[in-house]
Order: sequence, then structure tokens, then C-alpha cells
Amino acid sequence: DGGITQSPKYLFRKEGQNVTLSCEQNLNHDAMYWYRQDPGQGLRLIYYSQIVNDFQKGDIAEGYSVSREKKESFPLTVTSAQKNPTAFYLCASSFDSLASRDADVNEQFFGPGTRLTVL
Amino acid sequence: DAKTTQPPSMDCAEGRAANLPCNHSTISGNEYVYWYRQIHSQGPQYIIHGLKNNETNEMASLIITEDRKSSTLILPHATLRDTAVYYCIVKSGATNKLIFGTGTLLAVQP
Repeated sequence: DGGITQSPKYLFRKEGQNVTLSCEQNLNHDAMYWYRQDPGQGLRLIYYSQIVNDFQKGDIAEGYSVSREKKESFPLTVTSAQKNPTAFYLCASSFDSLASRDADVNEQFFGPGTRLTVL
Repeated sequence: DAKTTQPPSMDCAEGRAANLPCNHSTISGNEYVYWYRQIHSQGPQYIIHGLKNNETNEMASLIITEDRKSSTLILPHATLRDTAVYYCIVKSGATNKLIFGTGTLLAVQP
């Protein structure tokens, strides 16, 4: 089955530790995204990548880092510099609308999410 | 990117149509209206999108007013599994960034 997966589903870390969240897709999508969601709020964009070996900061990139060494993978590292890391983290992917300029092909597909709790 | 306004919550009886409104009065000519929904503790799911014509798919219908300043998502026969937060998003055709507001929590009642 084609899809986008995130692991683990639940993650606990001690304050001051870095932690990496996994995101993998087999949809052959060019673009991948990381969002953060806090209780009762909408999603906020952390980082996005339109192509391998390239990525851009979203609205709340401070305290986070990413890499895009493979088309299928876009891991997110939550560093100790992130002041309030406890949240629900969602990864998404899509075809790259900046290449196609066609909104009909850039629906974003979301993974199931990782719930990070800092103890 | 244009901002959207949605009611925070709505109720709907099972089997009835659910009509979810969205205001986007500052929408510009090349911006699309997208709808996603998020069932509790899951990732959002794409529902439908449109530019200026009404659209229908297997999940829902999207009615966009002639001036494009508002739209309505219609779930024709709501079921309990349609209980979710529904997000109305205005997205530029030149970028794939989605800006999520707080959405409408639709509660389908038995």
C-alpha cells in the first residue's frame, strides 16, 4: 500500500535531550512537510522540503532541524533549544506544485502523527 | 495568504446534511479553497477543493459564492464517523503551503 508513515506513535524524552522523529513516504512525492499541533489549535508549519537536499524554514522553525537526503525520508530533530517541545507532530507529503503550478496535483497527504511528551 | 473564518463548533443529526460555512472575504483571484478534516488524534485528511465553480466528489460538495468571499462544505448524509474538526483553507496556486486555522468541530449526534 502506498502511504506516509511516522514513527514512533508516542515518544517521551527528558528535558535537554534531542530526539528525532521519523517520516517516510512511498508515494513518489517531491515535497514533504512537518507541522506541529498544540491542543485545540490548528497545525503550524515547521519545515518543508520541495526536493532532495533542499529545505526551507516554515513559521516556527526555531529549535528544530531537518534533513532530506532521500526523496522518501524527511526526519525531524527536536533539539534541546526548543522551549516547549511537547506537542503532536504531523508529517505530510505532496507533489511539488511549484514545479507544476497546478493546484489540482498538490493535495497534501498526512501521516498518523507522533505525540511527543517532554518529562 | 487570505484568512478564513469558521464557527468553532456545530452539531448535526445522523443522516442529515451537514453544512459547514467558511468566510474568506480577502481571497484573491489565484487562491483556491481547500477543505481538510481531522478526526481526533489522527492526521488531517483532504476532502475537496475548488477555485470558483461548485465541486462534488464521493465525500462532499463544495459551494462557492459568486463573489468567492465565502463557501459551504456539504456532507449530504452525515454519519457518526464524520465527527471531526473541519478546516477551511485558502491556498495560493503558486505555493503548496497550507495555513490551518482552528476549524469547526462537527459533532454528529445519533
